[in-house]
Amino acid sequence: DAKTTQPPSMDCAEGRAANLPCNHSTISGNEYVYWYRQIHSQGPQYIIHGLKNNETNEMASLIITEDRKSSTLILPHATLRDTAVYYCIIDPPRGYGNKLVFGAGTILRVKS
Amino acid sequence: NAGVMQNPRHLVRRRGQEARLRCSPMKGHSHVYWYRQLPEEGLKFMVYLQKENIIDESGMPKERFSAEFPKEGPSILRIQQVVRGDSAAYFCASSPGTGAHGYTFGSGTRLTVV
Repeated sequence: DAKTTQPPSMDCAEGRAANLPCNHSTISGNEYVYWYRQIHSQGPQYIIHGLKNNETNEMASLIITEDRKSSTLILPHATLRDTAVYYCIIDPPRGYGNKLVFGAGTILRVKS
Repeated sequence: NAGVMQNPRHLVRRRGQEARLRCSPMKGHSHVYWYRQLPEEGLKFMVYLQKENIIDESGMPKERFSAEFPKEGPSILRIQQVVRGDSAAYFCASSPGTGAHGYTFGSGTRLTVV
């Protein structure tokens, strides 16, 4: 399984964009980049995923570099409710073990 | 469309008792995963099950822990003879198991061993 490296913590001002980086230099060509977050004591929540192209949904945008060795999750207008631990996870396609492996993640603190 | 349902939300057991944690996956999901989160730590994979089969139990402690996902009914994570170190949040996730889909997690069961 490809390993990921994330900064342990980040601060962001409310209303500003939060940019969370992730390095995954050993990613294979058929492995997806997934982002989840865990708000205090709750179950992890899916945010977004991508393979090669940049992706956007109602929650966030995912920017994947052309060599796929790193990615950035962007929360365009962070709110206090976005304070959480954010996990970048490399997920092989179905049939390759299936389980998600969580690292330490990045603690994002959104401050007013 | 109910999400992943876990019960109970909170469970208190005395040392030596048994704990049974239940997980009902989302409708249409046949793959279930159990994770454990110790206080102030990350999520650790325990076991992956499909209906009536254990696919990957590489994260399960060798003793006292077992899991099942019967043909009918919820998935059960059972911990026998609980010890204080078993106190943790136990999360269940489900997926349809096809394509590159994300998992849906339940709200967890917080087990406290006294």
